[in-house]
Amino acid sequence: EPEVTQTPSHQVTQMGQEVILRCVPISNHLYFYWYRQILGQKVEFLVSFYNNEISEKSEIFDDQFSVERPDGSNFTLKIRSTKLEDSAMYFCASRLTDYNSPLHFGNGTRLTVT
Amino acid sequence: KNQVEQSPQSLIILEGKNCTLQCNYTVSPFSNLRWYKQDTGRGPVSLTIMTFSENTKSNGRYTATLDADTKQSSLHITASQLSDSASYICVVSPRWTSNSGYALNFGKGTSLLVTP
Repeated sequence: EPEVTQTPSHQVTQMGQEVILRCVPISNHLYFYWYRQILGQKVEFLVSFYNNEISEKSEIFDDQFSVERPDGSNFTLKIRSTKLEDSAMYFCASRLTDYNSPLHFGNGTRLTVT
Repeated sequence: KNQVEQSPQSLIILEGKNCTLQCNYTVSPFSNLRWYKQDTGRGPVSLTIMTFSENTKSNGRYTATLDADTKQSSLHITASQLSDSASYICVVSPRWTSNSGYALNFGKGTSLLVTP
């Protein structure tokens, strides 16, 4: 069964550094998302992306964050200047077209900011 | 503010037993409610999706119910197995005019441990 893949599985970076988290959504999906989950807390929405542009973003997704779909397969989340509080598990997700269709999540990238 | 509250926070049951997890929400207007299973260190996996017009949905040993009037849902697990040990997350979608927005409201999850 096709799946969403994320790399790397674990990223350690120093505060102030830029990081890029990478995702390959399921190939025929049209809607792409990033979520994060701070350890012990609930999953939080960051941003949704459709038709090569951001369709919605949360208040967490400030100017330090950006997303890109540089080619037909990759979907990236960039954090320009990481903060300690950015340490979390970041999940990429995708879905087909129907609003009631399931979201398919990747297994996440654990970001640790030191 | 849209809220999704789950109970219990954690649960331990013996293998083979049944259990029921609860979800109360205040999301309005409401589009659909989903239950996800999240194994430790993995991404959530969809178990069921119910629209506001559906009362029950089954997926193998998992049965979800929905009462849109009282804004309550439950997930019943039958004949539990050791592999059912995971976090079970209730996720509620608000009704949007745009199809692309997907600011799902996640609950904190119920951590289920099935013991031999």
